[in-house]
Amino acid sequence: KNEVEQSPQNLTAQEGEFITINCSYSVGISALHWLQQHPGGGIVSLFMLSSGKKKHGRLIATINIQEKHSSLHITASHPRDSAVYICAVRPSNTGNQFYFGTGTSLTVIP
Amino acid sequence: GAVVSQHPSWVICKSGTSVKIECRSLDFQATTMFWYRQFPKQSLMLMATSNEGSKATYEQGVEKDKFLINHASLTLSTLTVTSAHPEDSSFYICSASGIAGVLSYNEQFFGPGTRLTVL
Repeated sequence: KNEVEQSPQNLTAQEGEFITINCSYSVGISALHWLQQHPGGGIVSLFMLSSGKKKHGRLIATINIQEKHSSLHITASHPRDSAVYICAVRPSNTGNQFYFGTGTSLTVIP
Repeated sequence: GAVVSQHPSWVICKSGTSVKIECRSLDFQATTMFWYRQFPKQSLMLMATSNEGSKATYEQGVEKDKFLINHASLTLSTLTVTSAHPEDSSFYICSASGIAGVLSYNEQFFGPGTRLTVL
């Protein structure tokens, strides 16, 4: 059983579309991260959330602690947004360890 | 955000040789570093956690004698894959958390990864 579930696994969108990626988790957490991994493999941390909502450019991340659910939204998607998006949670009863989702592979077509 | 670098970014080696991968925090003191492995189409799997100046804590199923981790300073951790075999071919990623300025304890910063191919 995976503590972190992401949906969808794969997503293809037309340039300009609004995109939503979902993350559900089953443990109590102290923080949730959204990560972006480009085809070359490098990982960039997009957001760290413990409550509410954060926005950075065209990216918006929300979290509902009671429902154990987070969403990552991309507005006006662009081909350069094509990447794997990974949800990672830090359980509240462990040290620095993370549980990772299996990722959502996003392809934005021009 | 803080910057974590890895070197090399990719390496190809012969079976039986040892490979060292470096992970550096460039602008903060990394009190804790993490080493992950990622196989194709799979998520990151934590291999070990290292705190500066102490022995690394390995996850179940990870051989500590095969994957040697040294965290000798607050800015450098190394992972050495000893006697590498083709099944060790993977993408190895480090991350670091620490204390500097506005950095919080919960924040982890990821390195760009090292792709290891063992022939």
